[in-house]
This record gives sequence, structure tokens and C-alpha cells, in this order.
Amino acid sequence: EAGVVQSPRYKIIEKKQPVAFWCNPISGHNTLYWYLQNLGQGPELLIRYENEEAVDDSQLPKDRFSAERLKGVDSTLKIQPAELGDSAVYLCASSSFSGTGHTEAFFGQGTRLTVV
Amino acid sequence: DQQVKQNSPSLSVQEGRISILNCDYTNSMFDYFLWYKKYPAEGPTFLISISSIKDKNEDGRFTVFLNKSAKHLSLHIVPSQPGDSAVYFCAASAMSGNQFYFGTGTSLTVIP
Repeated sequence: EAGVVQSPRYKIIEKKQPVAFWCNPISGHNTLYWYLQNLGQGPELLIRYENEEAVDDSQLPKDRFSAERLKGVDSTLKIQPAELGDSAVYLCASSSFSGTGHTEAFFGQGTRLTVV
Repeated sequence: DQQVKQNSPSLSVQEGRISILNCDYTNSMFDYFLWYKKYPAEGPTFLISISSIKDKNEDGRFTVFLNKSAKHLSLHIVPSQPGDSAVYFCAASAMSGNQFYFGTGTSLTVIP
């Protein structure tokens, strides 16, 4: 079974430029997450999708960040314009509903963004 | 507000000995707890989980203990191996939501 696939792995951009990240979750997983991980910190949720619907985007800085999950499968996360403080690792994860309501999330390898 | 805390940023253990990683949480609504392992330049990998209806879950060399009254969980690795050297994240979620809250991680070094 293929895991969560993210691209690109690394991205270096100048500040004020736009950038986009792509995520393909595990087949059949209805829940998709975008997490932000700063150096020395744990992942922090940016947005969570249940199928096509963004059910939790309270931590997403909506003035510059946007996300979409068309057809409830792949997802893109965009930053426009990027700021120096956006330099971090952006992680995508997916999970499926289990009978108990609990399931683990499976993570992709992440995209390391450097804004210069 | 950090709802999941890992107060030890790093831990060094001799190969073959036990590694004990600790995690505390503050939200009493959390009822599912997970440990993830992360190697450099890779995403976190799920290791083991425990539901709040249990106080212990074991999988091979890895055992997670949950003390609900103390809001504390720990991961035991016995015996520790050099390949276990990684950053370990504790995470928690509540049935009412489907978000995972992560600690800041503990970097484990197993010395050969």
C-alpha cells in the first residue's frame, strides 16, 4: 500500500513569492490533515478535511494561506505571499474512520520550505 | 497553550538497556494516545497507541503505559537498539474531535 505522498520535498523561495504544496493521501482515507512543524517543535494542525469539507481551519492564517481538497482526494496548500517566518516543514497526513472512532494518522515525508 | 508536554528534550541510553520516554497532558477529554517516531528528513511514523480504557499496550519491544489520574503516559523500549535513535513524539486526541495534539518531542540516542 502506498503511503502519503507529498511534493516537493524541498522548496526555497524569496519572500513575497507564492508557493504551493501538494499531497496525495492513502487511498480510501477520508480525513486529510496539513500540519506545520517548526524546528524543535511538534506538528501543529493547520487544517483538517473530512472528504472535501474543511472541518477545522481555525489555525490556518487565512490572510495568506489557502487550501483545497478537490474531489476529496488530493490536496494543495498555498501560501501567498510567503514571509520569512513561514520557513518550516509542512506535513500532510491522512487517516480513516475506524469502528472505535479512533485511528492513527499516517504522515508523508513533508515539504521543507525555506523563505529567503 | 501546550496540551501535550514532553519535558525531556533528549535522552541517552546504552544499547540493551531500557528507554523510558514520558509525556503529560492537560486536557481530560483526551481518550486516545499515540507515539510517533521521526528520523531526520522524514515524516513521523506511527509506533504504538493506547485507548483510555486501557492502562497498558504492548507491541514487541515497545510498551505504552497510561495513568489517567496523573494524566501521564510513558513509552518503554526494551531492549533499546541503536536503530531506535530518533525523535519520539507523543500525541493525543479526543473522541469528540479528530485532531491530534503533539508534544515537542524527545530525542533518543541509543549508544552502542
